[in-house]
Amino acid sequence: EADIYQTPRYLVIGTGKKITLECSQTMGHDKMYWYQQDPGMELHLIHYSYGVNSTEKGDLSSESTVSRIRTEHFPLTLESARPSHTSQYLCASSEVKASGRLGTGELFFGEGSRLTVL
Amino acid sequence: KNQVEQSPQSLIILEGKNCTLQCNYTVSPFSNLRWYKQDTGRGPVSLTIMTFSENTKSNGRYTATLDADTKQSSLHITASQLSDSASYICVVSDRGSTLGRLYFGRGTQLTVWP
Repeated sequence: EADIYQTPRYLVIGTGKKITLECSQTMGHDKMYWYQQDPGMELHLIHYSYGVNSTEKGDLSSESTVSRIRTEHFPLTLESARPSHTSQYLCASSEVKASGRLGTGELFFGEGSRLTVL
Repeated sequence: KNQVEQSPQSLIILEGKNCTLQCNYTVSPFSNLRWYKQDTGRGPVSLTIMTFSENTKSNGRYTATLDADTKQSSLHITASQLSDSASYICVVSDRGSTLGRLYFGRGTQLTVWP
């Protein structure tokens, strides 16, 4: 069982509201990710982080922002939610193996946050 | 364009039967291939990870095979159980820096009936 937690699991809010999806991991992993997943579709990377104070945008353009002030915490924020933001958001982390070697880089996923914007 | 294609899109089998799910990819240069199981409303959970040199790997009733020459992988489930009902996602990593970029398939939705 992976030690990575997401809250809330489900959120229904109105258009224009600010929301923050929380993600925490207790495995000490440096790399963390946010994926967006719609029904029947593949996961799309929207943000990732190599470590504290490092954040990068992923392959899928997103109006959300992220921060990485602590190793274990990687929250995602939407300043003004819209119906088009309705989706499942999955947080993940991975371990980076010894330097100079490609590791397995296994991803550990949280349970997801299902966001519905009315 | 690097892609991961999975088939079938959905599959229904009876409890106790075996099944095989397919994954074809065009990702290059190849680093590793993973299979994940995703229960409805939950996050994906890793089943197997295979590198270029591995052509088969088992995890209980799950056996994954890899043919790096033809760029095909399969996931075989033996003696299916109701709890096997889930989406099975194939993910291919290219040989990037530390982790490499991940390419996700859309998954095969497996339903096991009693």
